[in-house]
Amino acid sequence: QVQLVQSGAEVKKPGASVKVSCKASGYTFTTYDINWVRQATGQGLEWMGWMSPNSGNTGYAPKFQGRVTMTRSTSISTAYMELSGLKSEDTAVYYCATSPPDWGFDNWGQGTQVTVSS
Amino acid sequence: QAVLTQPSSLSASPGASASLTCTLRSGINVGTYWIYWYQQKPGSPPQYLLKYKSDSDKQQGSGVPSRFSGSKDASANAGILLISGLQSEDEADYYCMIWHNSAWVFGGGTKLTVL
Repeated sequence: QVQLVQSGAEVKKPGASVKVSCKASGYTFTTYDINWVRQATGQGLEWMGWMSPNSGNTGYAPKFQGRVTMTRSTSISTAYMELSGLKSEDTAVYYCATSPPDWGFDNWGQGTQVTVSS
Repeated sequence: QAVLTQPSSLSASPGASASLTCTLRSGINVGTYWIYWYQQKPGSPPQYLLKYKSDSDKQQGSGVPSRFSGSKDASANAGILLISGLQSEDEADYYCMIWHNSAWVFGGGTKLTVL
C-alpha cells in the first residue's frame, strides 16, 4: 500500500532554513503529485505548494513564494520541502500528501513538527 | 473575506444527520467548483473523504462509507458535507478545499461533536 514516511522533528532558530523529507513507497513515485500542507497547533490546514515528481515542476502558494523550494530525488523516491527565513509563525506540523489525477489528497505522511524558537 | 468559510463548530446526536457547510466568498460561484472534504482526528493527518461537483460528478474516497455524501446549496453559494447515521467515531474536524486561482485553498474547518 502507499506509504509516505517523513523525517523527524526539527528545532530551528529564527532566520534559519529547514528541509523536510517525504519518502514514498508502495507505488511508482513519479505517478502522483506531492503536495505540502502545514498546520499550526490548534489551527487549520494551510496548503504550501505542489510538485510533480515526474517533471520536477512546482507550484507554490503566493504566501510562500520566494521562501519555499520543493524538490525530489527519484532514485530514492523522496520528496523534499525546504522553507527558508524561518519565523516563529512557521512553527507547525508539516505534511506531505499524494494527489493522483482527478483525486483528492489521498495519502498523507505522518507529519513533521518544526519548531522555530530563539 | 476568506475564500472558504466554515462554521467553527457543530454538535449533533448519535444516529442523527449532520450537515457541514462550506461557503464560498461572494463572486466565486460554487457551481463551477469541485468541493473536496477531509476528516481529521486529533493527532492524525487528514483523511480524504470525497469530492463533489454535481450529482453526476462526484467521487467517494477509497473505503469511505456511503453515509458520507456531498451536495451543494446554490442559493447559499455553499458546498455541503452530509453525514448520516452519526457515530461517535465521526467526532472530528472537517475541512473543505477547492482549487482556486491556481492554488488549493482550505476552509478553516468545523469541529463536529457527537453527543
